[in-house]
Amino acid sequence: EDKVVQSPLSLVVHEGDTVTLNCSYEVTNFRSLLWYKQEKKAPTFLFMLTSSGIEKKSGRLSSILDKKELFSILNITATQTGDSAVYLCAATALGIQGAQKLVFGQGTRLTINP
Amino acid sequence: AAGVIQSPRHLIKEKRETATLKCYPIPRHDTVYWYQQGPGQDPQFLISFYEKMQSDKGSIPDRFSAQQFSDYHSELNMSSLELGDSALYFCASSLSYTQYFGPGTRLTVL
Repeated sequence: EDKVVQSPLSLVVHEGDTVTLNCSYEVTNFRSLLWYKQEKKAPTFLFMLTSSGIEKKSGRLSSILDKKELFSILNITATQTGDSAVYLCAATALGIQGAQKLVFGQGTRLTINP
Repeated sequence: AAGVIQSPRHLIKEKRETATLKCYPIPRHDTVYWYQQGPGQDPQFLISFYEKMQSDKGSIPDRFSAQQFSDYHSELNMSSLELGDSALYFCASSLSYTQYFGPGTRLTVL
């Protein structure tokens, strides 16, 4: 059965700290790993990772994929209160009839205290 | 840039009633996905459509059905609603491997 596991499930840090969120996956016909940020609304897209070892960066956020060990990390440096959210990791794979399917992890609830 | 549009944004129904949720994908996206997200849960995949044909099916109850129309919009029909159907229902669309989510429809079943 395809599964995506995120850790920790919850994390509370102080503003300015650096955090690392973990995501491991086991999916058949894996294609890519996506990171989303979800506040009190729909998940918003952060990164798509398809190649191992290539870091993607967007401001204070960065992410990398290890396809050999089947995991990804999301780093956030100099955290701000606006980074408080649930961070979802999802693996895309080919489903039946060649369609894409997305398997989500449980999410990491990140709280940044001022 | 245009995003995924969902309507209604909020819906309140009573048990055993029916509900129809609508999703308008990002223009030129050919695939639509439906997800159900309960409180404190990650989104659970329900069903997807590619070029108006059902392409994959997840944990969608038999009481639910969906379709994609010629203009690529999709509708999720839910019948015999139960209390446990109360959730946030997201639609997402994609052209390749990245799915973009709509704002969601919050369904409350009383």
